[in-house]
Amino acid sequence: DTGVSQDPRHKITKRGQNVTFRCDPISEHNRLYWYRQTLGQGPEFLTYFQNEAQLEKSRLLSDRFSAERPKGSFSTLEIQRTEQGDSAMYLCASSGPGGIDTEAFFGQGTRLTVV
Amino acid sequence: DQQVKQNSPSLSVQEGRISILNCDYTNSMFDYFLWYKKYPAEGPTFLISISSIKDKNEDGRFTVFLNKSAKHLSLHIVPSQPGDSAVYFCAASGTSYDKVIFGPGTSLSVIP
Repeated sequence: DTGVSQDPRHKITKRGQNVTFRCDPISEHNRLYWYRQTLGQGPEFLTYFQNEAQLEKSRLLSDRFSAERPKGSFSTLEIQRTEQGDSAMYLCASSGPGGIDTEAFFGQGTRLTVV
Repeated sequence: DQQVKQNSPSLSVQEGRISILNCDYTNSMFDYFLWYKKYPAEGPTFLISISSIKDKNEDGRFTVFLNKSAKHLSLHIVPSQPGDSAVYFCAASGTSYDKVIFGPGTSLSVIP
């Protein structure tokens, strides 16, 4: 297992188009997180799954954003009707079962540019 | 409302000297604290963590100190090396570890 994998690495899209990103977590990790990072800021929490259940969704996530994790494995994040303000790095992370010592491992991110 | 603060956007340190990165938090419910390092074009990489029941955790050249009463933690890197040049994020989570809240980061430059 080579870690958390995100696809694509880069995406340029026109305003108003829909985009979908994919995240493949580390095998057997039951928690999966989506974060968004803009220039000069730390990653901002978007949403979190435990297995296939979406347990929490940030108020940063408007109705245009939707995330799924069918079968508790890979996850997708879809942005509908993209806006220029959606331009950011979208990071996925996963962590395993266990207690407080389980830290999240991040993928390399998908950089979205909305033109 | 920023729950995790890193008030120094950048820090420059001479190779071989100590680097001290500071972090403050406002949420007293945070119980677990982490430091991540990020190189350009890569995702953050876990560096070191500390539970609120401890006040110090050491891993090689990296030591994290936690002062719960002051809601303050710091990361010490000794000795600093040019390869340590990166953005360092302080992060925190509650006891259930459902999500991690990140600070804005401090860009460390270690000068050879």
